[in-house]
Amino acid sequence: GAGVSQSPSNKVTEKGKDVELRCDPISGHTALYWYRQSLGQGLEFLIYFQGNSAPDKSGLPSDRFSAERTGGSVSTLTIQRTQQEDSAVYLCASSIPSGRGGTQYFGPGTRLTVL
Amino acid sequence: KQEVTQIPAALSVPEGENLVLNCSFTDSAIYNLQWFRQDPGKGLTSLLLIQSSQREQTSGRLNASLDKSSGRSTLYIAASQPGDSATYLCAVRPDGSARQLTFGSGTQLTVLP
Repeated sequence: GAGVSQSPSNKVTEKGKDVELRCDPISGHTALYWYRQSLGQGLEFLIYFQGNSAPDKSGLPSDRFSAERTGGSVSTLTIQRTQQEDSAVYLCASSIPSGRGGTQYFGPGTRLTVL
Repeated sequence: KQEVTQIPAALSVPEGENLVLNCSFTDSAIYNLQWFRQDPGKGLTSLLLIQSSQREQTSGRLNASLDKSSGRSTLYIAASQPGDSATYLCAVRPDGSARQLTFGSGTQLTVLP
């Protein structure tokens, strides 16, 4: 079946602009995660959604970052007033928390470049 | 705070060799450990997941072991092939309600033909 999809695959923006990144999880996966992969920082957790529960936002680096998940499926990560240090690959993952031990399946990522 | 370390950072081997990648973590209170591979410019592909109660998992030429008490995991790749060239990442999920993974910085593997 279809895996996790993300769009756009690449995004170039100017400093100060807002951007929206989209994630379509695997159908039936109730858990959705956002991670960021940047040079020198490795892979960092950003935010986690599970069903209708309040999201775990403990990894968001600043209040310029926010995410929502509509209808328990598609998620959008929004970065306001982008800064050059926001340049990174943003990865989305989904899982069935109680199935197969919660294996997380990753999308191909969105490469964000802030000029 | 959980810290995950992978050594070596890079490894180059001739085709056909068996090899071991190492992963260590500081907090043994984990729920599971997952090994991924990442090809350049791509997302992550899950290879193996080991529950905290398990000692090892095998898939084809791959074997992952877990020693939770000592905070170590190894990924063994048998009869390496050029197609195995990629970055290998290990990640741990904590015990409890939190489900986010903490990743190591990866081992970049090159298998020379």
